Amino acid sequence: AQKITQTQPGMFVQEKEAVTLDCTYDTSDPSYGLFWYKQPSSGEMIFLIYQGSYDQQNATEGRYSLNFQKARKSANLVISASQLGDSAMYFCAMREGLAGGFKTIFGAGTRLFVKA
Amino acid sequence: DSGVTQTPKHLITATGQRVTLRCSPRSGDLSVYWYQQSLDQGLQFLIQYYNGEERAKGNILERFSAQQFPDLHSELNLSSLELGDSALYFCASSAITPSGRYNEQFFGPGTRLTVL
Repeated sequence: AQKITQTQPGMFVQEKEAVTLDCTYDTSDPSYGLFWYKQPSSGEMIFLIYQGSYDQQNATEGRYSLNFQKARKSANLVISASQLGDSAMYFCAMREGLAGGFKTIFGAGTRLFVKA
Repeated sequence: DSGVTQTPKHLITATGQRVTLRCSPRSGDLSVYWYQQSLDQGLQFLIQYYNGEERAKGNILERFSAQQFPDLHSELNLSSLELGDSALYFCASSAITPSGRYNEQFFGPGTRLTVL
């Protein structure tokens, strides 16, 4: 069964607008971490934001925020004021705790295109 | 620059051969992770080491092995290479907080392996 699901293979957004990239996850482990990474065409993986399963508040890092809805098992990434340089592949990932064998699982990714 | 270094950047070899990929984690990080990224399989977690000990195992083939040395650098050994092993291999490192929470993983630039 898919543990990380990113349902949007591709997304378009107008420059300076906000965009939400969807991510749902599945785990029975009470302790886990959720991550978002950006992979530009150059290939490197850039860490964007982290949310722990016990964190009470949604994580924010500059223009990035994570809309964490624990009961719905969703961890959507919101990018505000999109820039042309935001065009890239975005991956959602989950690292499970002891019950999940401490494995890290990545979603299939969403390719974001920012239009001028 | 994430602080994680990987060598070599590119590697071209033939089927049946054996190669070794090297990774140096960020200063102070005790955990090292290996990932394989291919077009058909996406980003797959292979294995994690923590302070020299295997911590978690993912979809790592028996032909592949890894280790983490006392100086915390890690090597991924791939043997009896097949065409399907051609991929981008990432190493990542992370720190564990005193409370045991899972911090973000910082990725190296990757080693692109081509098996001919």
